[in-house]
Amino acid sequence: DIQMTQSPSSLSASVGDRVTITCRASQSISNYLNWYQQKPGKAPKLLIYAASSLQSGVPSRFSGSGSGTDFTLTISSLQPEDFATYYCQQSYSNPYSFGQGTKLEIK
Amino acid sequence: EVQLLESGGGLVQPGGSLRLSCAASGFTFSSYAMSWVRQAPGKGLEWVSAISGSGGTTYYADSVKGRFTFSRDNSKNTLYLQMNSLRAADTAVYYCAKAMSSSSVFDYWGQGTLVTVSS
Repeated sequence: DIQMTQSPSSLSASVGDRVTITCRASQSISNYLNWYQQKPGKAPKLLIYAASSLQSGVPSRFSGSGSGTDFTLTISSLQPEDFATYYCQQSYSNPYSFGQGTKLEIK
Repeated sequence: EVQLLESGGGLVQPGGSLRLSCAASGFTFSSYAMSWVRQAPGKGLEWVSAISGSGGTTYYADSVKGRFTFSRDNSKNTLYLQMNSLRAADTAVYYCAKAMSSSSVFDYWGQGTLVTVSS
């Protein structure tokens, strides 16, 4: 099974900051890496798929990069609505594992 | 508009059974694989099971294999998750999720239904 590890587990930042979250796979997953945003009490929302493709309707301040085992999610200029928990997920092989999450909090 | 609506959650004793449903609308249901993803209270996301568009192929996480059965009725646009031999560790919000075509990327999610396993 493929293990997904995110860093950091939590992050404090201010509105307007540039933020980067990292996700590492335990083996190569090509570009089969997706990012989700989850707010308290809500279902996850797809942000980025195939490592760098922006899901329809997602603001362009979100971007993704990477391939193989190392991936990043970048938010170019944090907005108040971006404070949430972010998860990476590999869709390379079953079981389709998620990272443990990165909680982005207001500084 | 794609909509996924889960139901069937509740309180069940350890060793008991429960069947979750997920009613789908707004897309050609039989053309898409679907999954269940769960989230224990205060924890992260865990993929549970997937089913092909036809229903002929299913996959399960090791944690539920042999206890859970995922099925679908394409005539009713509905998914079912039969959960048997439930354990306290199965306590979670269960989400149904639609997969993007030919992938296991989850582009739409339901609002979730809470399953609590406790005596």
